[in-house]
Amino acid sequence: GQNIDQPTEMTATEGAIVQINCTYQTSGFNGLFWYQQHAGEAPTFLSYNVLDGLEEKGRFSSFLSRSKGYSYLLLKELQMKDSASYLCAVRPAGYQKVTFGTGTKLQVIP
Amino acid sequence: ETGVTQTPRHLVMGMTNKKSLKCEQHLGHNAMYWYKQSAKKPLELMFVYSLEERVENNSVPSRFSPECPNSSHLFLHLHTLQPEDSALYLCASSQDSKGTGELFFGEGSRLTVL
Repeated sequence: GQNIDQPTEMTATEGAIVQINCTYQTSGFNGLFWYQQHAGEAPTFLSYNVLDGLEEKGRFSSFLSRSKGYSYLLLKELQMKDSASYLCAVRPAGYQKVTFGTGTKLQVIP
Repeated sequence: ETGVTQTPRHLVMGMTNKKSLKCEQHLGHNAMYWYKQSAKKPLELMFVYSLEERVENNSVPSRFSPECPNSSHLFLHLHTLQPEDSALYLCASSQDSKGTGELFFGEGSRLTVL
């Protein structure tokens, strides 16, 4: 079966750095996604990791360790508009069926 | 037109009603998906269509009936639903159904079953 864990809620200060962790246990692994979802809006794609290491994209970076079943999303220079839910999703081996975690609701405060 | 469009955005229905949700994608993708999003639960995959053929039915009750007349349109027909079916229903598309690309989501249809 598939199991994905991430914290339910986090709070961070504007201008700071926050790290959102995701651990997973899946039957095989073919990549990990991070999505951002603002309240009342559609989830939007942030990043995709399939190999170990850090992928940087502007203020957002995503890290993957396949041996540990672990990923994190790093948000730098936080802005108020970064307040949203961040969804971790894993694509297992074989056929598609991407599995999502429950999401981490991030609140950025002044 | 934006990438993935869903209608209606909000729907309230009784348990004996029949209604349909509509999704349209303008991205030229080959795969379309229905997901259910309930409070404090992960996104649940319901159905996957690849080139208009259903390739995944994730143990969804028969009161939900999908239809994919072409690669740009996807429907979810609703019949005799239960209050626990109240949720946000998200449509998504991807370039192919092997999950090699990211999902592009619509804004969702917020369903309330009375």
